[in-house]
Amino acid sequence: EAEVAQSPRYKITEKSQAVAFWCDPISGHATLYWYRQILGQGPELLVQFQDESVVDDSQLPKDRFSAERLKGVDSTLKIQPAELGDSAMYLCASSPGQEDTQYFGPGTRLTVL
Amino acid sequence: AQSVTQLGSHVSVSEGALVLLRCNYSSSVPPYLFWYVQYPNQGLQLLLKYTSAATLVKGINGFEAEFKKSETSFHLTKPSAHMSDAAEYFCAVSSGGGADGLTFGKGTHLIIQP
Repeated sequence: EAEVAQSPRYKITEKSQAVAFWCDPISGHATLYWYRQILGQGPELLVQFQDESVVDDSQLPKDRFSAERLKGVDSTLKIQPAELGDSAMYLCASSPGQEDTQYFGPGTRLTVL
Repeated sequence: AQSVTQLGSHVSVSEGALVLLRCNYSSSVPPYLFWYVQYPNQGLQLLLKYTSAATLVKGINGFEAEFKKSETSFHLTKPSAHMSDAAEYFCAVSSGGGADGLTFGKGTHLIIQP
């Protein structure tokens, strides 16, 4: 069964450093999402792509976060500089398109020291 | 704007007992509703979804949920709990059928007592 791949699974960094997370969606899925899940909370949408275009990044802290999906396939989420409050699980999800289920990857757990 | 409220951050039931996890939603348009399960250090797995067809939705692992518009609720149930059901459960709402980003509740931690 096809799955959403994410790497790394765990990342420890110091504040003010740059970090990057990678996501490879299920083959053929046009829509890709990045969510942030703070410990003890539900996931919150950061950014949504349709193919290579950003559909919604209203909740993305653009002063330090950036996301790209250059060829409409895999995606990278970057934080620069990282802050203590960025410690969370970063989840990637993909869906085939309209009115379809979102499939989640295993996530990247970020710890900022 | 849309939102989800999950009543009870922790629910404890005995093995073999009924599981009931509560979810109430707020949406300005007819909602699409989802239940996801998350095991420790893993991503989310879809249990079931409501997309305006039948109000009683059956999902995987014996779970089901009933959409009640008058009560703005979408509670999750399972007749008989199993130890393997211990996990975090999230209710989510979308106005775009899942194509839009999901708005999640804060989650309910289900504990199964032997």
